[in-house]
Amino acid sequence: NAGVTQTPKFQVLKTGQSMTLQCAQDMNHEYMSWYRQDPGMGLRLIHYSVGAGITDQGEVPNGYNVSRSTTEDFPLRLLSAAPSQTSVYFCASSYEGSYNEQFFGPGTRLTVL
Amino acid sequence: GENVEQHPSTLSVQEGDSAVIKCTYSDSASNYFPWYKQELGKGPQLIIDIRSNVGEKKDQRIAVTLNKTAKHFSLHITETQPEDSAVYFCAASGGTGNQFYFGTGTSLTVIP
Repeated sequence: NAGVTQTPKFQVLKTGQSMTLQCAQDMNHEYMSWYRQDPGMGLRLIHYSVGAGITDQGEVPNGYNVSRSTTEDFPLRLLSAAPSQTSVYFCASSYEGSYNEQFFGPGTRLTVL
Repeated sequence: GENVEQHPSTLSVQEGDSAVIKCTYSDSASNYFPWYKQELGKGPQLIIDIRSNVGEKKDQRIAVTLNKTAKHFSLHITETQPEDSAVYFCAASGGTGNQFYFGTGTSLTVIP
């Protein structure tokens, strides 16, 4: 199993550009989520999904879109990048339910100039 | 929603000493409390977790305690080693929705 994979590892954007961060998992997990990690802020939930076709907002959803067309993939779209979106982004997956371990990907470091 | 606070933000200990990291949570409906370790340049990885029906759990040098009444839980690492140096996050879930709420992290440095 590859676990949770994320691409790209690094990305530099200019303000106003759009891009998609890719996330895939091969563990047949129902639950997938996106977090951003900023210094002193911990991990903050952006969007999550409890299954194909179902998504919902987390703590900090503004400026981001998601979709879940398959169980395996959960891409995160930045529609018009802003410097405030400079961060490290982590995708995670787990079986649905409260007691299930979340598996994290290696992260994408995004810089918006 | 849930609010998880974590202290301290940085912690330095001598090799062989113990380290304690504390977290509090606000939502009494939360029932699962995992701890994650994040090494430099990597994603967080689960090291231990505890459910709300258990007061303490131990795995070799790592233990977690939970006080539901006071809404706080703690990570204890004994006989620390240099490889324990990392950022540690606490989290809470099981309240509203299926979301995990993370603390702000503790950077632990073990000095050889």
